[in-house]
Amino acid sequence: AQKITQTQPGMFVQEKEAVTLDCTYDTSDPSYGLFWYKQPSSGEMIFLIYQGSYDQQNATEGRYSLNFQKARKSANLVISASQLGDSAMYFCAISPHDYKLSFGAGTTVTVRA
Amino acid sequence: DGGITQSPKYLFRKEGQNVTLSCEQNLNHDAMYWYRQDPGQGLRLIYYSQIVNDFQKGDIAEGYSVSREKKESFPLTVTSAQKNPTAFYLCASSILDTSNTEAFFGQGTRLTVV
Repeated sequence: AQKITQTQPGMFVQEKEAVTLDCTYDTSDPSYGLFWYKQPSSGEMIFLIYQGSYDQQNATEGRYSLNFQKARKSANLVISASQLGDSAMYFCAISPHDYKLSFGAGTTVTVRA
Repeated sequence: DGGITQSPKYLFRKEGQNVTLSCEQNLNHDAMYWYRQDPGQGLRLIYYSQIVNDFQKGDIAEGYSVSREKKESFPLTVTSAQKNPTAFYLCASSILDTSNTEAFFGQGTRLTVV
C-alpha cells in the first residue's frame, strides 16, 4: 500500500514570491508516477505536473517545478512568482503500477497582494 | 469535446435511501475512479476500475457500490449503509500507461443528506 503525506495544512505567500509545498510518500513499488493537482474553491481538479519514478530530471511546467528526491521519497512542488490566482488547495498524488491513484490531505495556499 | 461528465451536480438524499451518482467519460480511458472529499480535506479513494466488469475497493469502500458494465460508465451507488454520506464526490479517469497516468476529473457531485 502507498501513502502520501502533506504536512503543511496551510501556507501564506506574498504575491510574486516563490512557495514550496512539501510532499513525502511511501511505496514499495519501484515504478510509480507522482502528480500535483490544484483545486480552486470551485472544486474542479486541475492537473499541474507529473514526475515519473525513473525520470532523471526534475519536472517543470511553466511556473511549476518539482524537487524530486527519490531516495528521500520526497516530491516537493515549487510555485515561482506567485499570483493571486494561485490561491487554492494543492494535492500531491501517487500512482503505482496497479494504478491505485492515491492523494495526500492537501495544502491550502493563500497568496497575499 | 472529450471529457468526464458527472451528474447531478447537487443531490439531496433522505436518510435510509440509496442514491446513484453518474460518471461518464468519452476519453476512451481504461481506468476510472471514485473519490470522496469532505470539507477542507483530501481525496479518499472509494473504488477504482481498470477494465470492464472488474473493480477494486479503495480505502473507504464500505457503504458504497459500483459497476463497470461499459468502458465509458462507472456509476457509484451510495447505500443506506453509508452512515455519513454528505460529501463532495469526484469521478476521474486515466489511461493505463506507466509513463504518465494523469487523471482527468469530472466537476463533482455534492451530496447532502436531509
